[in-house]
Amino acid sequence: GENVEQHPSTLSVQEGDSAVIKCTYSDSASNYFPWYKQELGKGPQLIIDIRSNVGEKKDQRIAVTLNKTAKHFSLHITETQPEDSAVYFCATQSINDMRFGAGTRLTVKP
Amino acid sequence: DAGVIQSPRHEVTEMGQEVTLRCKPISGHNSLFWYRQTMMRGLELLIYFNNNVPIDDSGMPEDRFSAKMPNASFSTLKIQPSEPRDSAVYFCASRSLASTDTQYFGPGTRLTVL
Repeated sequence: GENVEQHPSTLSVQEGDSAVIKCTYSDSASNYFPWYKQELGKGPQLIIDIRSNVGEKKDQRIAVTLNKTAKHFSLHITETQPEDSAVYFCATQSINDMRFGAGTRLTVKP
Repeated sequence: DAGVIQSPRHEVTEMGQEVTLRCKPISGHNSLFWYRQTMMRGLELLIYFNNNVPIDDSGMPEDRFSAKMPNASFSTLKIQPSEPRDSAVYFCASRSLASTDTQYFGPGTRLTVL
């Protein structure tokens, strides 16, 4: 099947620093790219998404960039805070198919 | 909006017993997804329904797993008989078919099979 590769698997940053998580995919039919944040004991929650006709999207401290030619997209978190600590998942969606990356455990140290 | 509702939140059972997980999607959503999450395999799609009809069940591990959606507001995932390797967190998610909208996840059911 089509794969979504996510890196790094773990990331530790100091409060106030930036964090970047990258994903690559292989299905050229993918046209929707959400990012989910999962806190301990909870289900994944959407934090930002981007569609294939857009190259970049920003929402306060969170931004996502998409390079469809290279088939990769990235999540950028600026001015990180301890409450940003969680597992983050990228995903790709084409018609009737959504696939998730393996997740990145982000730790923000105060 | 109550979001996706799942029950029970935790289930501990013994090997060989039947387990039934329940899900109520967000009102108005017409796609429903069942996922399993483990440390080893991450998030795996088991099955999904559009308008109460199963579309793709290729992710269902084996015949011990079955899922139903008798109406637009309720779905079940059943494991019979359960085995220790079924221990995982099972998530239900729903989505509107109107567009390529995101899936909204429930809080999950943590299943432990002893």
